[in-house]
Amino acid sequence: QSVLTRPPSASGTPGQRVTISCSGSSSNIGSHAVSWYQQLPGTAPKLLIYSNNQRPSGVPDRFSGSKSGTSASLAISGLQSEDEADYYCATWDDSLNGPVFGGGTKLTVL
Amino acid sequence: EVQLVQSGAEVKKPGDSLKISCKTSGYTFTTSWIAWVRQMPGKGLEWMGVIYPGDSDTRYSPSFQGQVTISADTSISTAYLQWRSLRASDTAIYYCARHQLENDGLQYINWFDFWGQGTLVTVSS
Repeated sequence: QSVLTRPPSASGTPGQRVTISCSGSSSNIGSHAVSWYQQLPGTAPKLLIYSNNQRPSGVPDRFSGSKSGTSASLAISGLQSEDEADYYCATWDDSLNGPVFGGGTKLTVL
Repeated sequence: EVQLVQSGAEVKKPGDSLKISCKTSGYTFTTSWIAWVRQMPGKGLEWMGVIYPGDSDTRYSPSFQGQVTISADTSISTAYLQWRSLRASDTAIYYCARHQLENDGLQYINWFDFWGQGTLVTVSS
């Protein structure tokens, strides 16, 4: 069981804005930057957001990240069918002395 | 173009040994960390450990310490993940990923920017 808590599932309709949350503690999200990953079915994870809110080149600006205190969020605007995937948050954890992933949120586009 | 290409799927028996690989290209192998991440069937991502090929500094998650060995060969820009004795519970997809790690004095900023395609390891009698 991950030290990062997230909703196991989320859903939205095409064009809608959805938000996926990731909650931690002072030893992880509260102290360190968060990254987000998209894993399409049967494929390797892909980096979406790093350093809380930075997008790598090639990632659409429909994807945005934010952090406040011990929680972080990934927002997806203008939802598209191809956004249906698992989404993972990750950060550094002082207790682990290494990176930790959230359990993943399965996004369904209705 | 940065690429991480992993070795192919493996089917092994309990007690077998195994070494899988992650061949990198498109960047300087010795100046970035390489991590290994496990994904058990239908489950999430777990960080196993990381190596800095430049000086072979290797760190393991407590969950995997003593269970696997991470190594690297700088002459061929390749990282490895090795088991001495596999168990059925090792059945999973294993990903390598380039791990960026910075510390600005206040916080760790870390992310996995490029990933291999994954290696499926099946352990069954």
